[in-house]
Order: sequence, then structure tokens, then C-alpha cells
Amino acid sequence: EAGVTQFPSHSVIEKGQTVTLRCDPISGHDNLYWYRRVMGKEIKFLLHFVKESKQDESGMPNNRFLAERTGGTYSTLKVQPAELEDSGVYFCASSQGFGGGQPQHFGDGTRLSIL
Amino acid sequence: RKEVEQDPGPFNVPEGATVAFNCTYSNSASQSFFWYRQDCRKEPKLLMSVYSSGNEDGRFTAQLNRASQYISLLIRDSKLSDSATYLCVVRDTGNQFYFGTGTSLTVIP
Repeated sequence: EAGVTQFPSHSVIEKGQTVTLRCDPISGHDNLYWYRRVMGKEIKFLLHFVKESKQDESGMPNNRFLAERTGGTYSTLKVQPAELEDSGVYFCASSQGFGGGQPQHFGDGTRLSIL
Repeated sequence: RKEVEQDPGPFNVPEGATVAFNCTYSNSASQSFFWYRQDCRKEPKLLMSVYSSGNEDGRFTAQLNRASQYISLLIRDSKLSDSATYLCVVRDTGNQFYFGTGTSLTVIP
């Protein structure tokens, strides 16, 4: 079974530019999550999709971040325009079902550096 | 106050030692609890879920104390390959997951 895949693995862009991160969850997993880890801090929740619907986007930092999951398969996270504080590792995770303590499976992450 | 707190360590232990990590969480209504392991520059990987009655998987034992709102992980007979960062993860009633900053373990030959 293929795991959660993320693309790109690394991205280096200048402040003000736009970057789009992609996540392909494990096939059949309805739940898809985006997280971010800023250097020296804990991994923090950004948002949660159930199929194509945003279940919870309370962790999104501001309106420069836009996440989509058209068709309920892969998801994209766009940052526009990027700011220096957006640098970090962006993880995607997926899980089956809802509630009941289903563990999440993580992708390798995208390391985003804003110059 | 952070949702999940862990001692960042580092813990440096010799091979064969027993080591224990603790984690506390702030939301008494939290639903599910996990330990994840993260190797350097890699993704977090599920180590084990933590059940109310406590559970064991080989050399690893997890305990949950709801009254005191803490979770523990015990590693017996440490191996070099156990060196990693161990993340305490808590799920709240809204299905949102909260992570601790992680506890760093290095097992020394």
C-alpha cells in the first residue's frame, strides 16, 4: 500500500512569491490533514478535510493560505504571497473513518524556505 | 498553556537501559492518545496508540492516567535503533490532533 506522498520535498522561494504544496493521501482515506512545524516548535494543526469538505480550518494562520481538495482525493495548500514566517515543514496526514482514535499516517513533509 | 507538554530531553542512555517519557495534556475531554516516533528529517510514524487500561507492544509500554492527565511511554532493553524523537499526540473531541514538541532519545553503544 502506498503511503501518504507529498510534493515537492523541498521548496525555496522568495518573499512575495506563491507556492503550492500537494498531498496525496493513502487511497480510501477520507480524512486528510495539513500540519506545519516551525523550527524549534511543535507540529501544529492547520486544517482537516473529510472527503472534499473542510471539517475544521481553525489552524490556518491567515488568508494567505488556501487549501483545496477537489474531488476528495489529493489536496493542495497554496501560500500567496509567501512571508518569511511561513518557513517550516508542512506535513500532510490521512486516516480512515472518523473519531474513535484512528491514528494518522504522515507524509515525508515539504520543507519550505522563504528567503 | 500548551495543549501537550513534554520534557524535550535529551535523554542519553546506554544500550539495554530502560527509559521512560512522560507527557501531560491540558484538555480533560481529550479522546485519544498516541505516541509517534520521528527520525531526523523524516515524517512522524505511529509507534502505538495509548489505551486507558495501558498497553504493551514488545519492549514498549504505554500508560494513560486520565485523572492526572498524563501519558507515559516506557522503553525496555533500549536498542541503538530506538534513537529518535518521541512525540506525544492527543486528539480532542473535535478530532483535532495536538502534538508535543517531542522528547529526544539517544541510545549509546
